[in-house]
Order: sequence, then structure tokens, then C-alpha cells
Amino acid sequence: AQTVTQSQPEMSVQEAETVTLSCTYDTSENNYYLFWYKQPPSRQMILVIRQEAYKQQNATENRFSVNFQKAAKSFSLKISDSQLGDTAMYFCAFMKPHNNDMRFGAGTRLTVKP
Amino acid sequence: DAGITQSPRHKVTETGTPVTLRCHQTENHRYMYWYRQDPGHGLRLIHYSYGVKDTDKGEVSDGYSVSRSKTEDFLLTLESATSSQTSVYFCAISVGRFSYEQYFGPGTRLTVT
Repeated sequence: AQTVTQSQPEMSVQEAETVTLSCTYDTSENNYYLFWYKQPPSRQMILVIRQEAYKQQNATENRFSVNFQKAAKSFSLKISDSQLGDTAMYFCAFMKPHNNDMRFGAGTRLTVKP
Repeated sequence: DAGITQSPRHKVTETGTPVTLRCHQTENHRYMYWYRQDPGHGLRLIHYSYGVKDTDKGEVSDGYSVSRSKTEDFLLTLESATSSQTSVYFCAISVGRFSYEQYFGPGTRLTVT
């Protein structure tokens, strides 16, 4: 079974600074999908960014970008120009194509300080 | 907004009672999922459905059953609730060309006393 590890239970960052959240995963598959989800205090799960393993180019969405290192099985999330609204739990997730079983990490609680 | 609603949003029930949670979608997506969220575990898949009357088990399916008689509704039933089933339950749907992106409902907090 695939496992997803987020080694940083909690992190904090000053407003306007940059922070990187770590994620590693374990799989023998060559093709798969990776995701970062954000869960603010409202509890809503929000898709932040996704990456297809067959794509070498790192995904970006506005202030959010990933560093995908396939050989190292690493998928970190970088948040630039952090804003107070970025305060949330962040979950890394892994999914094989046509499998429908998305595996999540335990999450990293990020606090953005004014 | 993927048009997903969950009901109820909060529920407190006693051990041994049956409980049914409902997930409703408005956009006729084929795939629907039920997850539970517990501290230290992230989200874990309970059951999923790939069409009307087509369902399959996930990672933590013991103690749960599901039904899907209409495309828009996916029901999760705890036949006899236990305290270990106290959790936040999320419904999700798949969207996107290859149906791998999942979007989540607002969640249901269930407490079993």
C-alpha cells in the first residue's frame, strides 16, 4: 500500500515570507498523481495544487508551487508571500490512476503570523 | 463549488444505534467517495461508488455500508455505531478529464457517546 508522510506536524511563518511544507511518499508505481489540500478552520477541504508524475515540470498555482522530485519520492509545497488566510492544515495526497483510493498524509498545521 | 452537500452537519448518537449520513451532488458526477478524518491520520477512504448501485470498499470499511440508488445521492450507514466511529466524515466527488481530482463536501461531525 502507498504511504504518505508529512514530517512536520506544525509550522509557522511570518506574513509575506515564504514557507515550504514537506511530503514524501512510498510507491513502486511509475505513474500516479500527487495533491496538496488545504483545510482552514472552516473544515472545508480545498484542492490547492496537483502534479502528474509523468510531467517533469513542477506545477504552480499563483503563490503556490511544488518541488516534485520523483526519484526521491518527494513532493514539497512552497507558499510564497504568505498571507493570514493561508493559516490552515495542509494535507499531501497520493493517488494511482484508475484506482480511486487517495491516500493522505497526517497533515501539517501552518500558522501565518502578522 | 462542486455542488456537494452533506446532511446532517452535526450529529450526536448513542452506541449501538444506526446512523445514516447523506451526500448529495448536483452535477451528475459518476464517482463519489466517503472518507473519515481523525487526528494523526489525515483522511482515510471508507467506501466509494463508481455509479448507481456500484460500490467498493476502501481502506477502513469495517462497520460501514453504503448505498447509491440515484446518481446524486450516496449514503453512508453505520449499522450499530461505536465510539471508535466518532469522527468527521467527508464526502467527495471526482471531476476532471481523467476523474482523478477530488472535491469535498463540508463534512459531518459525528459523535458516538
